[in-house]
Amino acid sequence: SQTIHQWPATLVQPVGSPLSLECTVEGTSNPNLYWYRQAAGRGLQLLFYSVGIGQISSEVPQNLSASRPQDRQFILSSKKLLLSDSGFYLCAAVSSIYEQYFGPGTRLTVT
Amino acid sequence: GQQVMQIPQYQHVQEGEDFTTYCNSSTTLSNIQWYKQRPGGHPVFLIQLVKSGEVKKQKRLTFQFGEAKKNSSLHITATQTTDVGTYFCAFRGSQGNLIFGKGTKLSVKP
Repeated sequence: SQTIHQWPATLVQPVGSPLSLECTVEGTSNPNLYWYRQAAGRGLQLLFYSVGIGQISSEVPQNLSASRPQDRQFILSSKKLLLSDSGFYLCAAVSSIYEQYFGPGTRLTVT
Repeated sequence: GQQVMQIPQYQHVQEGEDFTTYCNSSTTLSNIQWYKQRPGGHPVFLIQLVKSGEVKKQKRLTFQFGEAKKNSSLHITATQTTDVGTYFCAFRGSQGNLIFGKGTKLSVKP
């Protein structure tokens, strides 16, 4: 079965600072990968998805970007964080069947 | 775009009471999935329904997919404190991504 790793688990960053969150996947090859954001007490918002190396689709205009340098690596970045970027960031992968596996998430607080 | 509405947003029950959350769409869905997110945790897949009128059971949990494939429900019989969390319905969009409802947050008083 798939295992998704995310780091860091928690992060506190000042406004205007850069961001890099990393996600790696084990147990599958060529997965579809997704970045979601969950604001406190809210639902899941899809930010980016990728169907292959170098292929990124953005769902929501924002100051975030994503990259997929390797088959099982997905990175979420920002050059300058905003207060509104605070939230719980989840990386996910779709299995060969249908269920979506989520990583443990990164809790980001922008101060 | 397509979306699903989930009700209620919050539900507080006494341990032992039943709980139901509903998921509704204005358009026909090809599938519906349910996830559970414990406080502080990440969503975990529970089940997928694809057939009209489908009913599936997992111990005290019963999942239904409506005949018109526009609604679904999750029913928990005799809730326990371990059932605490947020329950999300979701369906798979055209790009393979999941489109989630806003979730129902369940709290159980012992």
